Amino acid sequence: DTGVSQDPRHKITKRGQNVTFRCDPISEHNRLYWYRQTLGQGPEFLTYFQNEAQLEKSRLLSDRFSAERPKGSFSTLEIQRTEQGDSAMYLCASLSGRADTQYFGPGTRLTVL
Amino acid sequence: GDSVTQMEGPVTLSEEAFLTINCTYTATGYPSLFWYVQYPGEGLQLLLKATKADDKGSNKGFEATYRKETTSFHLEKGSVQVSDSAVYFCALSLSGGYQKVTFGTGTKLQVIP
Repeated sequence: DTGVSQDPRHKITKRGQNVTFRCDPISEHNRLYWYRQTLGQGPEFLTYFQNEAQLEKSRLLSDRFSAERPKGSFSTLEIQRTEQGDSAMYLCASLSGRADTQYFGPGTRLTVL
Repeated sequence: GDSVTQMEGPVTLSEEAFLTINCTYTATGYPSLFWYVQYPGEGLQLLLKATKADDKGSNKGFEATYRKETTSFHLEKGSVQVSDSAVYFCALSLSGGYQKVTFGTGTKLQVIP
């Protein structure tokens, strides 16, 4: 069990650029979640997958955001035409079907200049 | 919608002092309740949880009791250590954690020697 990993850990980009983050869940965890955490706030839910199916999306997930989990293993979160308001920590979590606790990765910190 | 309210920080305590961090919740169903901790430079870690009314979650000397009548889940520790310095998040989830987790804003705890 190597834990949830995220890549990159830090990303600095200019406004208007596209960025993509990757999350590798704990092996055999079939549920995968994305959250966003801004400074001084708690994480906010964005979306989640069960295997490759995206089952719920928050209204926070504008049409500039897209998430995929093509083979039910790793997931990617893409933000198109980034805005300064997208600056945040993007967290990924995974969950085993046999448990009830989400395990979080270290996050990707995005800074949009 | 579902929400979590926790006391604002930062909270500064001397080593060996008693800790209480208040947390109340609003939920449409019967949520599971969690305390997560975020140590400096690290990801979110589950500290403890309780899945039904009157359950007590405990870990590393921390305790919290699920109080349905007051919709509360206050975190307590009898004697804090410098190593407990971190940000603590109260959270809830319906369906025992399978669904999205709703977090409070976090309470920063600083323990001084």
